[in-house]
Order: sequence, then structure tokens, then C-alpha cells
Amino acid sequence: DQQVKQNSPSLSVQEGRISILNCDYTNSMFDYFLWYKKYPAEGPTFLISISSIKDKNEDGRFTVFLNKSAKHLSLHIVPSQPGDSAVYFCAATGNAGNMLTFGGGTRLMVKP
Amino acid sequence: DVKVTQSSRYLVKRTGEKVFLECVQDMDHENMFWYRQDPGLGLRLIYFSYDVKMKEKGDIPEGYSVSREKKERFSLILESASTNQTSMYLCASSFGGVLQETQYFGPGTRLLVL
Repeated sequence: DQQVKQNSPSLSVQEGRISILNCDYTNSMFDYFLWYKKYPAEGPTFLISISSIKDKNEDGRFTVFLNKSAKHLSLHIVPSQPGDSAVYFCAATGNAGNMLTFGGGTRLMVKP
Repeated sequence: DVKVTQSSRYLVKRTGEKVFLECVQDMDHENMFWYRQDPGLGLRLIYFSYDVKMKEKGDIPEGYSVSREKKERFSLILESASTNQTSMYLCASSFGGVLQETQYFGPGTRLLVL
């Protein structure tokens, strides 16, 4: 059973609008969460992370929100740009240290 | 910048062949990882290594083995390739020694087993 789930396989957004990508997890031992972005024919690249002691972390156009009680996190991209079109993976880790558990990914398409 | 390289971008192999996938990182990272990426399943950890000659099984180690003879190099071996091992294989590395750190990925090897 997948411990990290991204229930939307794809999302389409107009340029300039907000993109919201969602992620749910089941393992209460997870205490650190990351978002990776992946372009075709490239490896994933780290985007932003959040520790369980926070509920929000912001980096430029990217903000990650964590709701521990709901075991839910989301990535907000504002404003969305066509270059943001990629597959986004949510990942989580806990007391196991550096082992990451990934979600299935969400393909974001930002239309000009 | 961290650089993780993988020996091949595309590979085509036949069922039963022994397959070697090589990964090299140039940042003196302690930890190295092998994942496979399949549609809808995200990235699943096959094996990881936290030091030379050390290895740990990930979530799906069956049918795979690994080798880490040098710190910068981590090899994934498919002893007898099968069609269900057709996938995108991604190598990653991280500094090690601390929790909650970023992994850096290579570009991936797309393997097709016929």
C-alpha cells in the first residue's frame, strides 16, 4: 500500500494563475517532506522541503503547506509559468533517515 | 553543483541477459541510491548504500543486486533481466551523516527488456 499518494495524475492551469498540487501520506513517522520536479529525459531536481515542526515554507513562487493532523501537504505555485510544466513528486522521510518514500507524481501543464 | 552521471541513457537488452547500470557522483557523497520510476507508482527504492561496500535493501530489491567498491560509484546489477524490469532507473546521492537532506539525481537510464 502506498504510504505517499498524489491522487491527481495530471493538472492543467493557465499561465499566471495558481497551481495547487496535493499530497497525502499515511505514515505518522514521516517528519520531513520534499517536492521534486522532473522534466522529460532528466532526473528529478529538488524544489522545496518542509519539516514537521513548520506548517509553511516559502521560496519565491513556491510555497509548501503542511497539515499534520490531516496528513496532507500541498505545493502552491504562484504565478504559474509555462516552464513549470513538469511532473512533480512529493516525497517523505522519517526516522529511517535518508530513505525517501515518493508519491506517484502529478503532471502539471501550464498553458500560455 | 552536484553532478550525478549514469553510464547510459537508453539500453535495450534481451530476457536473461545480465545488465549493469553504472552511477558516478562527484561530490564525495556518502549515500547513494537506486530507484526505478514507473507510471503511477512514482519512484521506488531498490537499494541504497551509506558507505563503501555497504548496502541496504529498499522496497523492491528482488531481481537486483548492487556493488559499491568505490565511494563515487554505485552499480545496479540485473542478474537475469526480465520483461517486468523494463523501466526508468534513477540513481541519486546525498551527503550523508545527517537526517533530512536532499538527494541529487542523475538523468536516468531507460531500460527496455525484450
